[in-house]
Amino acid sequence: SYELTQPPSVSVSPGQTARITCTGDALPKKYAYWYQQKSGQAPVLVMYEDSKRPSGIPERFSGSSSGTMATLTVSGAQVEDEADYYCYSTDSTGAHRVFGGGTKLTVL
Amino acid sequence: QLQLQESGPGLVKPEETLSLNCTVSGGSTNSRNYYWVWIRQSPKKGLEWIGTLYQSGSTYYNPSLESRVTISGDTSKNHFSLKLTSVTAADTAIFYCARGGEYDTAGPGAFDVWGQGTMVTVSS
Repeated sequence: SYELTQPPSVSVSPGQTARITCTGDALPKKYAYWYQQKSGQAPVLVMYEDSKRPSGIPERFSGSSSGTMATLTVSGAQVEDEADYYCYSTDSTGAHRVFGGGTKLTVL
Repeated sequence: QLQLQESGPGLVKPEETLSLNCTVSGGSTNSRNYYWVWIRQSPKKGLEWIGTLYQSGSTYYNPSLESRVTISGDTSKNHFSLKLTSVTAADTAIFYCARGGEYDTAGPGAFDVWGQGTMVTVSS
């Protein structure tokens, strides 16, 4: 089966830039999607097709992808951005659609 | 504003069938522009895509669950459903339904509206 690998945690101070990575063998050819999940809530789409921001998502969220790594960047992270972040993508065949293990972002 | 709401039993016995519905309000499941997905989340497995239903009736399932999963839609009731057979304790999870298609331009993946989730426990 296919796997996407994320660091378990990332910690920054308010106003700093947080970078959350997602590594997968098929990412050179497949898009990454990013979801934010706050405690007790359903996930929220914050980035799609590597670098596109859905309506209503603050501009401080941006995305990029290079080679086998996709990155979600939160520029000027705020306390309200504390959450778990999950990447999502597929293997090269499209049959295995998986989420990464999640990264807990702490802003303090 | 589109809203999704999961419903179904919170407790299922081992070896039985888990059945959940996702009711869509503020929109239609009969739109060609959108597709509908089931996703579950457990502490052990994290978030797991279960399957996708298109308006055409086509379905795509997680290969690891394919032998046990059926996703179907009922446009007359504006809902879609999940059935998972022969459940075990490993199927205990929060189950979410979600919509995609609003943003996708190159294949599915952008699930932009989610239900609040429903907890299902498999236990005798």
